[in-house]
Amino acid sequence: EAGVVQSPRYKIIEKKQPVAFWCNPISGHNTLYWYLQNLGQGPELLIRYENEEAVDDSQLPKDRFSAERLKGVDSTLKIQPAELGDSAVYLCASKPQGEVEAFFGQGTRLTVV
Amino acid sequence: AQSVTQPDIHITVSEGASLELRCNYSYGATPYLFWYVQSPGQGLQLLLKYFSGDTLVQGIKGFEAEFKRSQSSFNLRKPSVHWSDAAEYFCAVGAGNTDKLIFGTGTRLQVFP
Repeated sequence: EAGVVQSPRYKIIEKKQPVAFWCNPISGHNTLYWYLQNLGQGPELLIRYENEEAVDDSQLPKDRFSAERLKGVDSTLKIQPAELGDSAVYLCASKPQGEVEAFFGQGTRLTVV
Repeated sequence: AQSVTQPDIHITVSEGASLELRCNYSYGATPYLFWYVQSPGQGLQLLLKYFSGDTLVQGIKGFEAEFKRSQSSFNLRKPSVHWSDAAEYFCAVGAGNTDKLIFGTGTRLQVFP
């Protein structure tokens, strides 16, 4: 069974440019998460989806961040415009609704220069 | 509010030595507790979890953890460390429905031959 797939693995952009990250969760997993992991820190939740509905986006900086999960399968996280402080690892995770264990992708490491 | 404290930022042990990584949590009810491991450039892998019942839980790769309610702790242990255990370890606490995990800041484990 394929795990959570994220792309790209690495991205370097100049500040003020837009960037997008893609996540394909494990098949059948209704719940999808985007986490932000700053250097030397633990992951912090940005947004949680149940199917196509964003049920917890309280930590998402909505002035520059947006996310979508059309059709309730794969998801895209976008930053526009990117700032230097956005340099971090963006992790996607998924799990079946009602289950406990979430499975994480390998993450996208973003560097803003 | 839920929170997790991992007091040790960096631990160094010799291969074959025993290991204990500390984790303290703050949560009003019985928490759901997790330990994850993250190798460089990789996502998070679940080592073990505690929901209820036996306070000593066994996980993968020879790890175990003990839930102590009186101390609000969930320390991770391994009797004999292998060089391949070198990684970052994260403790996390979840609410009753575990739809949101709060992570600690992590402990980086270094193993010397």
